[in-house]
Amino acid sequence: QVQLVQSGAEVKKPGASVKVSCKASGYTFTGYYMHWVRQAPGQGLEWMGWINPNSGGTNYAQKFQGRVTMTRDTSISTAYMELSRLRSDDTAVYYCASDVAYCGGDCPPPYYFDYWGQGTLVTVSS
Amino acid sequence: DIQMTQSPSSVSASVGDRVTITCRASQGISSWLAWYQQKPGKAPKLLIYAASSLQSGVPSRFSGSGSGTDFTLTISSLQPEDFATYYCQQANSFPAFGPGTKVDIK
Repeated sequence: QVQLVQSGAEVKKPGASVKVSCKASGYTFTGYYMHWVRQAPGQGLEWMGWINPNSGGTNYAQKFQGRVTMTRDTSISTAYMELSRLRSDDTAVYYCASDVAYCGGDCPPPYYFDYWGQGTLVTVSS
Repeated sequence: DIQMTQSPSSVSASVGDRVTITCRASQGISSWLAWYQQKPGKAPKLLIYAASSLQSGVPSRFSGSGSGTDFTLTISSLQPEDFATYYCQQANSFPAFGPGTKVDIK
């Protein structure tokens, strides 16, 4: 069965960086875009961007441009999301989510989020 | 960017009730809309995609409709496990979610 297993909770100081991992199993990792979505405490969902695990191509939400980097290691079917220059309002649960559509190359929209990781709580506090 | 709104922000209902949630996009998105269910402490779950297509394994009491800018999610007969928060999501190049609608027990 499809599983996305994320790394554990992190506590970081303002200005630091955090890198969250998402290990996929049960499907062809390179065939589905991986998205990252975050949720601040008590708040709604916010899309951060996607990575094409096949090519390594990325697309980030404008809000996170310059601060987020999404990468992948196909040898271990793992995607990563690194967020730098952390602020207190980056405190949130960060989710990875695989796209619903198989696409072996560059995938145009629409983008829907099918399988989700369990979430990683990142706390930013001095 | 395309903004999403939802109404109501919360609704109180009883088991067996019909519940309808509305989602509006700031510009036309064709049928590129999804609905998710989220329970406290859990990841969201995809219910509906392409405005009206039921995701595999989702009960048929959930249905979606609409196109362009106005969409609805309907739960035909609310079950105890349906008390949750529901989000719509536009599926464009830069996806975005609505603010959510909490369905709680009346």
